[in-house]
Amino acid sequence: DADVTQTPRNRITKTGKRIMLECSQTKGHDRMYWYRQDPGLGLRLIYYSFDVKDINKGEISDGYSVSRQAQAKFSLSLESAIPNQTALYFCATSDLDRGKAFFGQGTRLTVV
Amino acid sequence: ILNVEQSPQSLHVQEGDSTNFTCSFPSSNFYALHWYRWETAKSPEALFVMTLNGDEKKKGRISATLNTKEGYSYLYIKGSQPEDSATYLCAFHPYNNNDMRFGAGTRLTVKP
Repeated sequence: DADVTQTPRNRITKTGKRIMLECSQTKGHDRMYWYRQDPGLGLRLIYYSFDVKDINKGEISDGYSVSRQAQAKFSLSLESAIPNQTALYFCATSDLDRGKAFFGQGTRLTVV
Repeated sequence: ILNVEQSPQSLHVQEGDSTNFTCSFPSSNFYALHWYRWETAKSPEALFVMTLNGDEKKKGRISATLNTKEGYSYLYIKGSQPEDSATYLCAFHPYNNNDMRFGAGTRLTVKP
């Protein structure tokens, strides 16, 4: 089983719908991140969390919210999905300051 | 502005060729520089975490160097193999925040 698991792996949703992407990890890491990837733009940070009580906005947080339900779970929500949120979304974890990130398998989201 | 630039955007080489690509990042507020290898349909996986000016890291046929004073890192692949085909991402970690910024990647294709 993967150490960092994202669900769903693929999702098609309509404009205006609320959608949640879930991430769970078995690595025991405190730090969790959500990134989106668009062609030609690399990975851009949406939100990150260093523990259950610590949530921080990243570079592109507008239109997104997150919830850190437990050390192992970090969910990303799109309150009202719009087509330009169509992207590949990655959850990642790390255990140390400056430590390497471990990525989930990715969720491909299409907003129509 | 935390611009991380990678060049070239894509590269096609023959099996056995050696190759290298560049990651440029802001030279101030340096904390760490990461290299990741991202194969199609898989998750990015960490290759190296580099923290000190002059760092050199090696993993098999892949090596990396770091110059924090001038803000660049090189990734080298010696004797490229088809299985090296992937997108190589670098990520800059600044000192004063935790917003790790990724470059857009270099897509390497190694032809048999």
